[in-house]
Amino acid sequence: QVQLVESGGGVVQPGRSLRLSCVASGFTFSRFPLHWVRQAPGKGLEWVAVMSFDGSDKYYADSVKGRFTISRDTSKNTLYLEMNSLRTEDTAVYYCAKPFVPSVPFYDYWGQGTLVTVSS
Amino acid sequence: EIVLTQSPGTLSLSPGERASLSCRASQAVTSTYLAWYQQKPGQAPRLLIYGASIRATGIPDRFSGSGSGTDFTLTISRLEPEDFAVYYCQQYGTSPPWTFGPGTRVDI
Repeated sequence: QVQLVESGGGVVQPGRSLRLSCVASGFTFSRFPLHWVRQAPGKGLEWVAVMSFDGSDKYYADSVKGRFTISRDTSKNTLYLEMNSLRTEDTAVYYCAKPFVPSVPFYDYWGQGTLVTVSS
Repeated sequence: EIVLTQSPGTLSLSPGERASLSCRASQAVTSTYLAWYQQKPGQAPRLLIYGASIRATGIPDRFSGSGSGTDFTLTISRLEPEDFAVYYCQQYGTSPPWTFGPGTRVDI
């Protein structure tokens, strides 16, 4: 069965960096773009970034552009999110999400999420 | 960027009642590319509906979606105790950013 397992969250000071990982299993990793979606405490969902199945295209929300970098390692079935210059408003649970079909970005599987807290 | 507005913010109902949740878009959503998710506390969202009206695998038929253009509705015909949760709509048109609505909480 499909599984997405995020890790790497924690407490970090403003301006510092953090790298999140998402290990995928149960589907052909190399055929699917994967997305990061976040949810601030008590708030709604915000799409963050996506990387195409072959790594040729990357897109970011304006709120993270220039600070966050999405990448993937197909040999490890792992998606990453490198987060730099973190701000308090980046505090959220970060989910990786798999689209139902590769070309259409609604999500049939989500990870359990990893909490990032940016605080001094 | 397409902005989604959901109403009401909170819906207080009883088991067995009918729930109608609204999602309005700031501009027409491409090809009814509109999904609905259910989220319970401490859990990831769960896909209910895509293509505005297609139930995802395993979703009970008391959940139905309708609408096109800028106005969409999620209807739960008879609320079960496990349906009390927060519901989000999402538009997934051809270009990013793909956006979510702020959610509707369905309370007992």
